[in-house]
Formats: sequence, structure tokens, C-alpha cells
Amino acid sequence: GESVGLHLPTLSVQEGDNSIINCAYSNSASDYFIWYKQESGKGPQFIIDIRSNMDKRQGQRVTVLLNKTVKHLSLQIAATQPGDSAVYFCAENPGYSSASKIIFGSGTRLSIRP
Amino acid sequence: ETGVTQSPTHLIKTRGQQVTLRCSSQSGHNTVSWYQQALGQGPQFIFQYYREEENGRGNFPPRFSGLQFPNYSSELNVNALELDDSALYLCASSLSGRTTDTQYFGPGTRLTVL
Repeated sequence: GESVGLHLPTLSVQEGDNSIINCAYSNSASDYFIWYKQESGKGPQFIIDIRSNMDKRQGQRVTVLLNKTVKHLSLQIAATQPGDSAVYFCAENPGYSSASKIIFGSGTRLSIRP
Repeated sequence: ETGVTQSPTHLIKTRGQQVTLRCSSQSGHNTVSWYQQALGQGPQFIFQYYREEENGRGNFPPRFSGLQFPNYSSELNVNALELDDSALYLCASSLSGRTTDTQYFGPGTRLTVL
């Protein structure tokens, strides 16, 4: 079925440590995955994406890892800062419809301890 | 900021009424997607418009309808409002309707149905 789930609904991390947010997806035909960050009162903000023909992609302080064998996606944030506090959504595009339909998971709330 | 704007910011309606929400896409983008985000959940795809035509639809009833204009701005209309329609309505614009085009979200319209 169509579902993108997250292992943990909340994550608390010490400032300066690395954060790892995990996500499982169910559609093996999905070919495009995205991580979004949503701060309170704002719309989702694009962080990083990865196509199914890759297993790792790096951005500024963020890395996304894709394991297609176990249908698992993770977002790593290096040196977590207070501004990283937000809800993080993994999302997939199943690619089976003509529309660029994104299926979002329920989100993980990341909180930073000083 | 993504350049995607939405109006109004907040809206209060009563059950049975009709509502129109508006979205201006980012410059150069010809595709607009609409999402509904209930409190504490991830956004759910409503439909997408590509070059003024509906280009895919999620599991929403026909009382959710939309339009896209020649300048690629878009409207979401909801008829016969129900209490469960209370949510944050997000629009996202993308360069085209391709599945791997990044979708950039606006700040959303918070709709409350009483």
C-alpha cells in the first residue's frame, strides 16, 4: 500500500551532536525521495532529495541515505543547531501516476537540548 | 522563502459554507499542487494542476475542486464544508509536472470550520 512511516515520532539531541532521523517506505516502485523540514507555522521546506539509482547524497550539513533492499531512508544532520528544531518529513514519489504526487510520512519532531 | 504565496493566512467558516483559497506559484513554475495537512499529520495530496489542466488527484471528494490560471496561479475551492475540513492547506509549485521536480511549498492557509 501507499505508506511512508517513521520509526520515532520524537527525537531529542544535544546541541552539537549529529542527528539521525529514520524512515521506512513501502512502495518498492518509488523512484524519488525527499526530506522536508517544517517549522511551526510554516510550510514544509525542501532539505534534500535522492533518486532510487543512488544510495547516498550529501548537502550542506545533511546527508540522505537510501537502502532499497530494506526500503529504508535516513536523514543525518551534522552538528545539530537550535535552528534545526522542527518536524522532519520523509516523502516519496511513487512515480506511477502522471502527477507529481508526494506521499508524506507522519513526521518526526526534532528537539535540541542546550 | 520559496516565492510561493498563499492567501488568506487564516480563515474561519461554518459548516456547509464554501471557501476559495489562492496560491501564487514561484516565478517560472507552471505546476501547482495542493495538499491538506491535518494537525499533527503529514500533508496529503489533493490534486495537481499543470498548464491549467488537472494532472492527477488524490483521495478527496468532488467538492474539492481547483483552477489554474494562465499566469499559473491557482485556486482551491471547497464546497459544503465539513468540520473535518479544518486543516492547513498548502500549495506547492514546481518547474513542471515531472515526478522528480522539487516542490516548493507556500506558508499555507489555516482553515477552521465551526
